[in-house]
Amino acid sequence: NAGVTQTPKFQVLKTGQSMTLQCAQDMNHNSMYWYRQDPGMGLRLIYYSASEGTTDKGEVPNGYNVSRLNKREFSLRLESAAPSQTSVYFCASSEQNKSGYTFGSGTRLTVV
Amino acid sequence: EDQVTQSPEALRLQEGESSSLNCSYTVSGLRGLFWYRQDPGKGPEFLFTLYSAGEEKEKERLKATLTKKESFLHITAPKPEDSATYLCAVQAGGDYKLSFGAGTTVTVRA
Repeated sequence: NAGVTQTPKFQVLKTGQSMTLQCAQDMNHNSMYWYRQDPGMGLRLIYYSASEGTTDKGEVPNGYNVSRLNKREFSLRLESAAPSQTSVYFCASSEQNKSGYTFGSGTRLTVV
Repeated sequence: EDQVTQSPEALRLQEGESSSLNCSYTVSGLRGLFWYRQDPGKGPEFLFTLYSAGEEKEKERLKATLTKKESFLHITAPKPEDSATYLCAVQAGGDYKLSFGAGTTVTVRA
């Protein structure tokens, strides 16, 4: 089925460990996004890529890096995980000038 | 900075009891207002986009409306399967980023 695929679905990290969250879309969308979702705070934008070859900071970029590997793939890296990064992470994609994002099913990350 | 506020935080309804969710926003240059549905453990699912004040859109038991300051999501004669968190988001200015509200969690009891 067409859509946005995120891996892994669940992950537990120790403080200071690093990891990369993977995201791929097969809808030929130009724009891709990484959000985090915390209870009571809604979805907050971490980084986004308006088109292949470009990335920009969102509302909460500290502690994260991203790579737009090609048009399909957009990865999110935590270099040194902290307990404050415990959250559910969602990747999304969209076609510019058209409505609606398509979201992946999320990665539930716990940092202990 | 774009601000999106949703109320109430939670809503408990009896099956068949119609109600409305509110999304108030403060943005400069609204391009679109979006409604999403999110089920537990899943990503948000797109419902509607509204572009200008006075616009309305419907899908089954859901109807979204837009004014210059707020949007309402009306749920008519809800069923238990309408239980979910409903998210509102705005797109403003010259880019395509969405700013989300915290959501309203709706529980419909049979």
